[in-house]
Amino acid sequence: QKEVEQNSGPLSVPEGAIASLNCTYSDRVSQSFFWYRQYSGKSPELIMSIYSNGDKEDGRFTAQLNKASQYVSLLIRDSQPSDSATYLCASGRGKLIFGQGTELSVKP
Amino acid sequence: DAGVTQSPTHLIKTRGQQVTLRCSPKSGHDTVSWYQQALGQGPQFIFQYYEEEERQRGNFPDRFSGHQYPNYSSELNVNALLLGDSALYLCASSLLGLAGEETQYFGPGTRLLVL
Repeated sequence: QKEVEQNSGPLSVPEGAIASLNCTYSDRVSQSFFWYRQYSGKSPELIMSIYSNGDKEDGRFTAQLNKASQYVSLLIRDSQPSDSATYLCASGRGKLIFGQGTELSVKP
Repeated sequence: DAGVTQSPTHLIKTRGQQVTLRCSPKSGHDTVSWYQQALGQGPQFIFQYYEEEERQRGNFPDRFSGHQYPNYSSELNVNALLLGDSALYLCASSLLGLAGEETQYFGPGTRLLVL
């Protein structure tokens, strides 16, 4: 059974701090990884996709992929209260396998 | 640019009934995937449709079926509803890129409650 694992949290950080969200996956051949943000009662919203080892930056967000360690992370710099949400890690092509999500709370 | 749309937004059914959920993909997308999300869990893949055919299927019983139309819109049908089918049903659309990458964008979801 291919799995994606995330710490369920909640993760609490002060406003302006760096939030670090982590994810591990079991399928060694997986090539595609995604981070989605989901506000309470809403649907998932794509933040980042990453396909190659290393870092990918988009504004305040940086995704990091390490295929050898089967590990993908999301860093959020200068965290804002509006970043408070559940962050979902997913891997796959076609059939996406999701982790259970990490709840992030950014305190003013 | 119209995003993914789903209807209805909310639905209440009783056990044993049948339900049909609808999805229109993002403009330019040709692939539709359906997911079930229970409260506090990540979405679970039901199936994916491409060129009006079911291309992949997750671990869901045959009570869950789907269809894709020539305009790429899609339906999810669930027969003989169980209490455990209560969930948020998400539709995601995508377009296969030249390098084989595929990014899925989600619609607002349909919240189904089975009583």
